Amino acid sequence: DTEVTQTPKHLVMGMTNKKSLKCEQHMGHRAMYWYKQKAKKPPELMFVYSYEKLSINESVPSRFSPECPNSSLLNLHLHALQPEDSALYLCASSQETYNQPQHFGDGTRLSIL
Amino acid sequence: AQTVTQSQPEMSVQEAETVTLSCTYDTSESNYYLFWYKQPPSRQMILVIRQEAYKQQNATENRFSVNFQKAAKSFSLKISDSQLGDTAMYFCAFMKDSGNTPLVFGKGTRLSVIA
Repeated sequence: DTEVTQTPKHLVMGMTNKKSLKCEQHMGHRAMYWYKQKAKKPPELMFVYSYEKLSINESVPSRFSPECPNSSLLNLHLHALQPEDSALYLCASSQETYNQPQHFGDGTRLSIL
Repeated sequence: AQTVTQSQPEMSVQEAETVTLSCTYDTSESNYYLFWYKQPPSRQMILVIRQEAYKQQNATENRFSVNFQKAAKSFSLKISDSQLGDTAMYFCAFMKDSGNTPLVFGKGTRLSVIA
């Protein structure tokens, strides 16, 4: 069983919809991450939160909006997505943002119609 | 910038046999961390093994071991007694030993274990 929980597992949405992806961990980790993964490719880093503050934004379009309400939760708000945004979205956490391994969730499979 | 290269897009191995997945990296850092992650079709990324660059001893985790050659910047993964459940995508990853540095992944090797 994964210690990083992501919901929903699957999401289908239209280009005009607004939805949110959720991620939760209870390992006391202080760093949390969002990745985007296309089929047969490695994960691509989107955002990093360290101690609940956004520390890295890898030039992600504004239609993706991250939020870290507390040290255990990480959200990714989606609005006006494009078909090319269809992918697996992975959340991860680590004790700190350096020299610590990241623990991943199962991901949310997102399909944009 | 750091780069990670996995030169084998796909590999296959017979059940109970041994297989080695290769990984090379490029960095000017003297201290860093290397990881192997496994991603089965169930899609969760699972940490397989971790190596600190300052440690000369190769890391091992049960059937999984690495051959870390710092001078050659090589970090291969050996899987002994392969099992059907080892079928997965394997990613090699690099991390600098300093604050706020993301994981750098290789492109992955798809391993199939054949009965």
